[in-house]
Amino acid sequence: RKEVEQDPGPFNVPEGATVAFNCTYSNSASQSFFWYRQDCRKEPKLLMSVYSSGNEDGRFTAQLNRASQYISLLIRDSKLSDSATYLCAVNGAGGFKTIFGAGTRLFVKA
Amino acid sequence: EAQVTQNPRYLITVTGKKLTVTCSQNMNHEYMSWYRQDPGLGLRQIYYSMNVEVTDKGDVPEGYKVSRKEKRNFPLILESPSPNQTSLYFCASRLEAGGLADTQYFGPGTRLTVL
Repeated sequence: RKEVEQDPGPFNVPEGATVAFNCTYSNSASQSFFWYRQDCRKEPKLLMSVYSSGNEDGRFTAQLNRASQYISLLIRDSKLSDSATYLCAVNGAGGFKTIFGAGTRLFVKA
Repeated sequence: EAQVTQNPRYLITVTGKKLTVTCSQNMNHEYMSWYRQDPGLGLRQIYYSMNVEVTDKGDVPEGYKVSRKEKRNFPLILESPSPNQTSLYFCASRLEAGGLADTQYFGPGTRLTVL
């Protein structure tokens, strides 16, 4: 079993739709959690950090469920420009090692 | 401009020919890391460095070496490249080694092909 798992998709949604991604992690000692966005052949860029209390940034909401060991990302009112691959990342105990999921591909269509 | 730079961006080489991919950051970050990205496998950590002269293995260190002689530079060395090291490589940095919540900033990537 992979340490961090994501549904690879692709998710194909129309503009304006709400879409949700989940990411599960296996190490209960994991300490910090992130969502990154990666456009084709480009470097990953931080989208959001994920906190136990949940956090929201405009149309994006991230949540952490420690009991079930997953993080989620909700995108509301999808835009064409949201089309990308979304990577979840987990820092292990001590924070030095980062494990990434393989990514979930999102296509938003007009 | 705050950034992480990598060179070269693209490289085609042959099996066994030693190569170095450079990585440099201008943000005075303590922590630097190398990843490789392969289809279906996502980003996998090769090596990381918590500060000058302090490095450690990530999940896939075999066939790679690193050094951290200066804070800003973290080169990745392939002493004897093999075709299974064909991949997209990213260097990243973050402010503090123990900064659990710190953002990692990634370089633009190096696409390596080993024939």
